[in-house]
Amino acid sequence: AQSVTQPDIHITVSEGASLELRCNYSYGATPYLFWYVQSPGQGLQLLLKYFSGDTLVQGIKGFEAEFKRSQSSFNLRKPSVHWSDAAEYFCAVGDRNTGFQKLVFGTGTRLLVSP
Amino acid sequence: GAGVSQSPSNKVTEKGKDVELRCDPISGHTALYWYRQSLGQGLEFLIYFQGNSAPDKSGLPSDRFSAERTGGSVSTLTIQRTQQEDSAVYLCASSNLQVLTYNEQFFGPGTRLTVL
Repeated sequence: AQSVTQPDIHITVSEGASLELRCNYSYGATPYLFWYVQSPGQGLQLLLKYFSGDTLVQGIKGFEAEFKRSQSSFNLRKPSVHWSDAAEYFCAVGDRNTGFQKLVFGTGTRLLVSP
Repeated sequence: GAGVSQSPSNKVTEKGKDVELRCDPISGHTALYWYRQSLGQGLEFLIYFQGNSAPDKSGLPSDRFSAERTGGSVSTLTIQRTQQEDSAVYLCASSNLQVLTYNEQFFGPGTRLTVL
């Protein structure tokens, strides 16, 4: 069965510093990977997705993620964090065979941004 | 256009009572999903509707949970005889589903359910 692990429950980063959020997945075939952001009181918003091809994918709000098959990882990065990036971030894996209906999510990482 | 809306935003109920949670998807979206977000548990898939097809109920945790989608639009998630472990945020999403390709799921703000 598919699973997603986000090992960091909380991360605190200073404004302007770089950010990396970790995500590891367990999936037998080629995974379809997603990062979502959930701001307080808001629904989830898709940041970026990986299906195939270039392993470095660019998303919205200056985020990027790199797919590393050898490490079963899909870490999210941003070179310079803004205070508005404080939110909860979820990594998810989808299954093309089910038409992506069933996204399996990690438990999330809460990002705190200090001044 | 308007996004996915959910009502109520917060619901407090007593153990053993039934609750209904409502989801209004984006107009024209053919697929509708329900997820549950429990503290420290991430998001858990509950049920999925696509057009007139039978819903995929494989994620419903017990027979106390049910959902319907009327007229291919609005959906209601019903929890009967609520238990304290049902306390969670219930998220609804919709997408304009196409076969064998990914279509982004757009999420509503959720309904926070508290069972006392």
